[in-house]
This record gives sequence, structure tokens and C-alpha cells, in this order.
Amino acid sequence: AQTVTQSQPEMSVQEAETVTLSCTYDTSENNYYLFWYKQPPSRQMILVIRQEAYKQQNATENRFSVNFQKAAKSFSLKISDSQLGDTAMYFCAFLPWGGSEKLVFGKGTKLTVNP
Amino acid sequence: KAGVTQTPRYLIKTRGQQVTLSCSPISGHRSVSWYQQTPGQGLQFLFEYFSETQRNKGNFPGRFSGRQFSNSRSEMNVSTLELGDSALYLCASRDITGGKDTEAFFGQGTRLTVV
Repeated sequence: AQTVTQSQPEMSVQEAETVTLSCTYDTSENNYYLFWYKQPPSRQMILVIRQEAYKQQNATENRFSVNFQKAAKSFSLKISDSQLGDTAMYFCAFLPWGGSEKLVFGKGTKLTVNP
Repeated sequence: KAGVTQTPRYLIKTRGQQVTLSCSPISGHRSVSWYQQTPGQGLQFLFEYFSETQRNKGNFPGRFSGRQFSNSRSEMNVSTLELGDSALYLCASRDITGGKDTEAFFGQGTRLTVV
């Protein structure tokens, strides 16, 4: 069974600064997807960024980028130029390759961006 | 396109009762998954439906059931409610036909409180 671990329950960062959220996972699968989801107080889960395990290049999406280390089973999220609207819970998630939806989530990191 | 719609948004039920939650996926999406979110356990996968068939099921008791209709709308039912069933129930839809995007789009959830 896959597991996802987020070791930082809470983090805070000053507006305009950079913050990195950590995620490690455990799996015996070789092909899979990894995701970072954001859940603001509105409760709606929003996809921030995704990474296919077969791709060596780290995914980037505007101010968001990941550091994917497949051998180390590590998948950290870097948020640059933090904005107040980035305040939310962030969840790391794992999805095995194959189409059947069974996202495995970490416990989440509560990120607060301070003005 | 309209997003994933979950109804109702809030629900209060008494222990022992049963409840039905509804999820309308994004138009064209045939995969619908359900997740339970609690402070203690985090996000846990309940089940996934595709073309009216349950494709995957999480580790939940038989009191939790679901179904999907021909228009892809899905319902989940919890019978004999327990206090521990109090949670945010999230629904997600995906377009997985033809090897398309694996992104799961989430609804805003139904907050169930069992008293």
C-alpha cells in the first residue's frame, strides 16, 4: 500500500518570500503521478501542480515548482513570491498509474502567508 | 463548464439515521470518486465509480455505499450514522477516456455533522 507523509503540519512565510513544503511517499510502483493540492478555507481542493513519475524534468507552474527525487521518493513544493492568497492547507497526493482513481493523500501542511 | 456540484453543502443528522449525499460531475466526466476528510484521519478514499460501475473501494464499513447514474451523477449513502461519521465528504470527477488528463476536479464538499 502506498503512503504519503508530510512532516510539516504548519508553516508560515512572509509575503513575497519563498517557502518549501516537504512530501515523501512510499510505493513499489514504478509509474505513478504525484500532485500538490491546495485547500483554502472555502474547502474546495484545487490542483496546484502535478508530476508524472516517468518525467525527469521537474514540473513548474508559474510561482509553483517541485523538486521530484524519484529514487529518494521525495516530492517537495516550492512557492516563490508568496502571496496572501496562498494561505491554505496543502496536500501532497499519490496516484498509481492505470486510470483507477484512488488518490492517497498526506495529512497536509497548513501554510500561512503573513503580510 | 460548470464545476463539480455537491449537495447539500451542510447536513446535520442524528446518530442512527441514514443520509444521502449527491455529486454532479463536470459535464463529460464519467469517473466520480468520493473522499472523507476528518481532522484525525485526513483525506481517505471511499470509492470510485465509472460508467455506473464501482471500480475501486476504500477501507470503509458496508454502511458506506454509493451508486452512479447513467448521466454520471453519483450518490453516496451512509446508513446507521455514527458520531465518527462527522466529516467533510468530497467528490471528485475526472475525464479518463482516451488517455486524457488525470486531473481530479473537486467539489466544495458536504459537511456532515452527526449529533
